[in-house]
Amino acid sequence: QVQLQQWGAGLLKPSETLSLTCTVYGVSLSGYYWSWIRQPPGKGLEWIGEISDSGSSNYNPSLKSRVSISGDTSKNQFSLKLSSVTAADTAVYYCARRANLENWGQGTLVTVSS
Amino acid sequence: DVVMTQSPLSLPVTLGQPASISCRSSQSLEHSDGNTYLNWFQQRPGQSPRRLIYKVSKRDSGVPDRFSGSGSGTDFTLKISRVEAEDVGVYYCMQATHWPRTFGGGTKVEIK
Repeated sequence: QVQLQQWGAGLLKPSETLSLTCTVYGVSLSGYYWSWIRQPPGKGLEWIGEISDSGSSNYNPSLKSRVSISGDTSKNQFSLKLSSVTAADTAVYYCARRANLENWGQGTLVTVSS
Repeated sequence: DVVMTQSPLSLPVTLGQPASISCRSSQSLEHSDGNTYLNWFQQRPGQSPRRLIYKVSKRDSGVPDRFSGSGSGTDFTLKISRVEAEDVGVYYCMQATHWPRTFGGGTKVEIK
């Protein structure tokens, strides 16, 4: 059974860097794409980006200058970093398996406030 | 970016009655590999989204067979044959053929 457990800081100040990690259980990081998605409170879903098992990544152009996704196969984890956050980055952030988002993490609410 | 347009925005349904959600894309979702990467997700209140349908019509494991997906090209539909109380939530379509991946705005299914 595939499970994704995510964690990271839930409260940030403007201009800080958001950092979240997703640990994968039940399947190896190798052989799949791994994705990050976010959902502002009361709104719809926004795709942030993805990383392949070979380490190549694709990002949403709207965030590309600030986002980085990396993977650590030794720990079976992948991570998201989003720099220079503002209140507009306040959202629940989800990690997911595959480009088609087959399995999802539990979500992490990240609030950006001074 | 490929724009995904869902309708209706809100769908009040009587228990036991059918429901249908439309999703239209601004470009064809047929990939050069021959697959069409159109997915449907259900998000119950307070929960993470859950994938129901992938590649237009393939049901995920554990998804009741009252859910079905159809369509091709730019026009897709999710149908619930007989709505049950546990189907309440927001449904999203999402394309994974083109970058960036994009979602529809969501359809809220509620019981009348």
